[in-house]
Amino acid sequence: GAVVSQHPSRVICKSGTSVKIECRSLDFQATTMFWYRQFPKQSLMLMATSNEGSKATYEQGVEKDKFLINHASLTLSTLTVTSAHPEDSSFYICSASLGGLAGVEQYFGPGTRLTVT
Amino acid sequence: GQNIDQPTEMTATEGAIVQINCTYQTSGFNGLFWYQQHAGEAPTFLSYNVLDGLEEKGRFSSFLSRSKGYSYLLLKELQMKDSASYLCAVLDSNYQLIWGAGTKLIIKP
Repeated sequence: GAVVSQHPSRVICKSGTSVKIECRSLDFQATTMFWYRQFPKQSLMLMATSNEGSKATYEQGVEKDKFLINHASLTLSTLTVTSAHPEDSSFYICSASLGGLAGVEQYFGPGTRLTVT
Repeated sequence: GQNIDQPTEMTATEGAIVQINCTYQTSGFNGLFWYQQHAGEAPTFLSYNVLDGLEEKGRFSSFLSRSKGYSYLLLKELQMKDSASYLCAVLDSNYQLIWGAGTKLIIKP
């Protein structure tokens, strides 16, 4: 149980275009979903936390107008990187949890490797 | 500020035992996680400790001392596939996960 999928697994896009990454919890309803970014040889960096039906909470330094997050249902959250630049190239990972005391564990998706040329 | 410290890199021999330490200073504590991350892949859950003591799960064990702000992950009978980064993360009082930078474990034959 507790499977989280991400799509696409890899994407290459041109500078200035937008890319949408989907994160789905396949066998449970995720109250909370998290989006992380990881640069090579560095640890996970939390970008934002999203709760179903409400606006995402962005970490300091993350531009909410550039990284659009939509958590439309308890099983789906999307991250859209708008007007992508080469410096946005990274490994983007989502995770999902039941939230609160019911489920503190985060279940991670397989990640999406974004390359902006 | 909130801080998680763990060694950057460790090397061990196949078949041996290795202990990866993690110390933390966070605003509140609601548990400590250990995750394994192979290169180019997402983290996978290994353990969760919220009470003091040792939790054993097969070849992997995790220990927690809340009074010392300290945890370790113990890996026994090391296998080549255990070569990965091991991430320590603490759930703070706001249920936000604070991540360590990870320990890269290199297993040699």
